[in-house]
Amino acid sequence: LAKTTQPISMDSYEGQEVNITCSHNNIATNDYITWYQQFPSQGPRFIIQGYKTKVTNEVASLFIPADRKSSTLSLPRVSLSDTAVYYCLVGDQGGSNYKLTFGKGTLLTVNP
Amino acid sequence: DADVTQTPRNRITKTGKRIMLECSQTKGHDRMYWYRQDPGLGLRLIYYSFDVKDINKGEISDGYSVSRQAQAKFSLSLESAIPNQTALYFCATSDGSGYTFGSGTRLTVV
Repeated sequence: LAKTTQPISMDSYEGQEVNITCSHNNIATNDYITWYQQFPSQGPRFIIQGYKTKVTNEVASLFIPADRKSSTLSLPRVSLSDTAVYYCLVGDQGGSNYKLTFGKGTLLTVNP
Repeated sequence: DADVTQTPRNRITKTGKRIMLECSQTKGHDRMYWYRQDPGLGLRLIYYSFDVKDINKGEISDGYSVSRQAQAKFSLSLESAIPNQTALYFCATSDGSGYTFGSGTRLTVV
């Protein structure tokens, strides 16, 4: 399974754009990149998933360069409620042995 | 109703007791997973199942067992609970395009 590396913590202020970068140098051809958000004492929640280039939904954008060895989750105009842990994961979702390995994630703290 | 329901939400048990955590889902997904989370750590995979007849060990399966009673039900058992199994336990399902997690079971072994 591809290993991911992301910052342990980040601080931001309300209204700012936040970019969290994840490196996954050993990503495999069939791997997708998925980001989850977790609030204290709750299960992680799917945010966004992508394979290459850029993906955008109503919550975030995901930027993936051509070599796919890293990805950046972009949260536009964060609010206090975006304070959470964000996990970057890679995996072959269509594979017969699909399972995800969670690292420690990035604790994003949004300040007023 | 939640897509993935875990029961109980909280449980305190004594060392040496057998305890079962239950998970049921309405997503219709074949794949189900049990994870454990300790304070300040990420989630670690205990067991996973890709269909009713399929059970696989994760990275920390020692001391745990599972049963996949039906497509919608996947239970986790601690045969003889010990204090270092105190943790937050999450069940998840997947159709291969992402996970849906339950709200978790907070287990304390005293």
